[in-house]
Amino acid sequence: NAGVTQTPKFQVLKTGQSMTLQCAQDMNHNSMYWYRQDPGMGLRLIYYSASEGTTDKGEVPNGYNVSRLNKREFSLRLESAAPSQTSVYFCASSADRIPEAFFGQGTRLTVV
Amino acid sequence: AQSVTQLGSHVSVSEGALVLLRCNYSSSVPPYLFWYVQYPNQGLQLLLKYTTGATLVKGINGFEAEFKKSETSFHLTKPSAHMSDAAEYFCAVSGSRIYGNKLVFGAGTILRVKS
Repeated sequence: NAGVTQTPKFQVLKTGQSMTLQCAQDMNHNSMYWYRQDPGMGLRLIYYSASEGTTDKGEVPNGYNVSRLNKREFSLRLESAAPSQTSVYFCASSADRIPEAFFGQGTRLTVV
Repeated sequence: AQSVTQLGSHVSVSEGALVLLRCNYSSSVPPYLFWYVQYPNQGLQLLLKYTTGATLVKGINGFEAEFKKSETSFHLTKPSAHMSDAAEYFCAVSGSRIYGNKLVFGAGTILRVKS
């Protein structure tokens, strides 16, 4: 079982460049999430999607956009990358009844 | 709204000693509570969860946690630490879907196990 798959695993961007992080899940989950992880700060929610066609801001949405393409896929876009966006990004998904989240392996992004 | 506080960003124990990682939560609705573990350069793996019913929950690798509503706590314990337990541990809280089931994490506790 693939679970939650994120691509790419590593990325280096220059300030001002744009990129899209891809996430797909094969567990038929309605809810999907994007988190960023920074040392000493735990995981902070960037955006989440409770179902196909809906998205909501989380704790730290500035500088990001998302797209829930279909039930399986939830992408995160950085339109103009900044060094403050250097982080490890995790995608996750969960079922409706109990929000136990299943995580991807993460994308380590460095903005120089 | 929900929040999580993990007491102690770093905990160090000797191999064979008790592991106790503390978590306090705030929630305006009945909470679902979780502990996740993260090994270096990996994603997060669920250790255990509390939803309803029995307040003492058992998870993988010999870990357990007790939900104490009166203390708003969900501390993680393991009777005897093993070297392989060295990792970062995250406590998380969520409400049910009708309250918006966003998962909110604590800042994490890094567990070091000394030989």
